[in-house]
Amino acid sequence: AQSVTQLDSHVSVSEGTPVLLRCNYSSSYSPSLFWYVQHPNKGLQLLLKYTTGATLVKGINGFEAEFKKSETSFHLTKPSAHMSDAAEYFCVVSDSGGYNKLIFGAGTRLAVHP
Amino acid sequence: GAVVSQHPSWVICKSGTSVKIECRSLDFQATTMFWYRQFPKQSLMLMATSNEGSKATYEQGVEKDKFLINHASLTLSTLTVTSAHPEDSSFYICSARQGGGYEQYFGPGTRLTVT
Repeated sequence: AQSVTQLDSHVSVSEGTPVLLRCNYSSSYSPSLFWYVQHPNKGLQLLLKYTTGATLVKGINGFEAEFKKSETSFHLTKPSAHMSDAAEYFCVVSDSGGYNKLIFGAGTRLAVHP
Repeated sequence: GAVVSQHPSWVICKSGTSVKIECRSLDFQATTMFWYRQFPKQSLMLMATSNEGSKATYEQGVEKDKFLINHASLTLSTLTVTSAHPEDSSFYICSARQGGGYEQYFGPGTRLTVT
């Protein structure tokens, strides 16, 4: 069975400093991995995804994530945080069943301070 | 493109009544739709998966007679919470997927409060 662990429930950074949100996964198959962001009162938005190929994936708004199979990790990074990045972030793994169900991590709340 | 809407965005109902939530894909045909539940400050939990024209597949522990899902067309799925109780109060989110791809497009969610 697949599972996702987000190692930090809350992360607080200053504007302009790097962001690191950590995610580890467990999967019996070659996983597909995603990061979604949820702003208050808005739908979830896909930041980036890894399915196959290049292990460093670039997403929207300057976010990146690197798939490391040996470490079963898919950490999300951004070189410089903006105030608008404050939101809830979910690391997600897709199972390999016919419906490709998404399995969500518990979420990390990112706070950005001036 | 790939916009999913939900209606209503917020609903209050009395205990014992039923409430219907709609999920629409506005600019694509959704062969598969998913319904999630999110408790405050918690993650999303998948409730059920539905394919157009087929019965929904419910996750373990989700009462199919309480949470009725209909996916009658390629652009509309509905979730009906029957005989609602205060513990059904939650944030319900739908998503839609086109074809057999991985990406799901999420609606903005519906906040249900049962009094």
